[in-house]
Amino acid sequence: GDSVTQTEGQVTVSESKSLIINCTYSTTSIAYPNLFWYVRYPGEGLQLLLKVITAGQKGSSRGFEATYNKETTSFHLQKASVQESDSAVYYCALGRSDKVVFGTGTRLQASP
Amino acid sequence: AQTIHQWPVAEIKAVGSPLSLGCTIKGKSSPNLYWYWQATGGTLQQLFYSITVGQVESVVQLNLSASRPKDDQFILSTEKLLLSHSGFYLCAWSRTYEQYFGPGTRLTVL
Repeated sequence: GDSVTQTEGQVTVSESKSLIINCTYSTTSIAYPNLFWYVRYPGEGLQLLLKVITAGQKGSSRGFEATYNKETTSFHLQKASVQESDSAVYYCALGRSDKVVFGTGTRLQASP
Repeated sequence: AQTIHQWPVAEIKAVGSPLSLGCTIKGKSSPNLYWYWQATGGTLQQLFYSITVGQVESVVQLNLSASRPKDDQFILSTEKLLLSHSGFYLCAWSRTYEQYFGPGTRLTVL
């Protein structure tokens, strides 16, 4: 089957410090999956943060970036300097347009 | 611009009672539509998808059903709710590479 693993349920980072949220994936039914990071800010709906559709490429948005690594089957989310407004739940996902598989999410608490 | 609405925003229902959740998308003709469910503390699971009016494919069986009566409408329903149906329900539409989600409906079954 297809699966996405996010090992951290919650991370706490001080403002201006760097962040890495880990994501690894496994797929047997989706050839060449697209990879995504979605985010849910408090009180808001789930929204796409960034996507990468080609292995080896990097996606970026709002200061976040993630590289599609086919060798390690990873898509870690990174940010050099976290802001308090980044506090949210982040979901890694893989799929194509008709099928998306999500990780369990990582709650980021950015503390001032 | 496309907009996606879900109703109701939240619902508290008794076990054994019927349920109907709705989703409407505006600004997009013939969209692919999806229902997702997330139990408290769980992950998002795709339940159903539909590529055209009258056609719905089931991905995960949870004693729920879905229908697409109009091009812009997707309905999730059941005749008898279970406690395990509690959670957060999301509707989504897709473009070529990604899906876009509605605001969701919080369902509590007591």
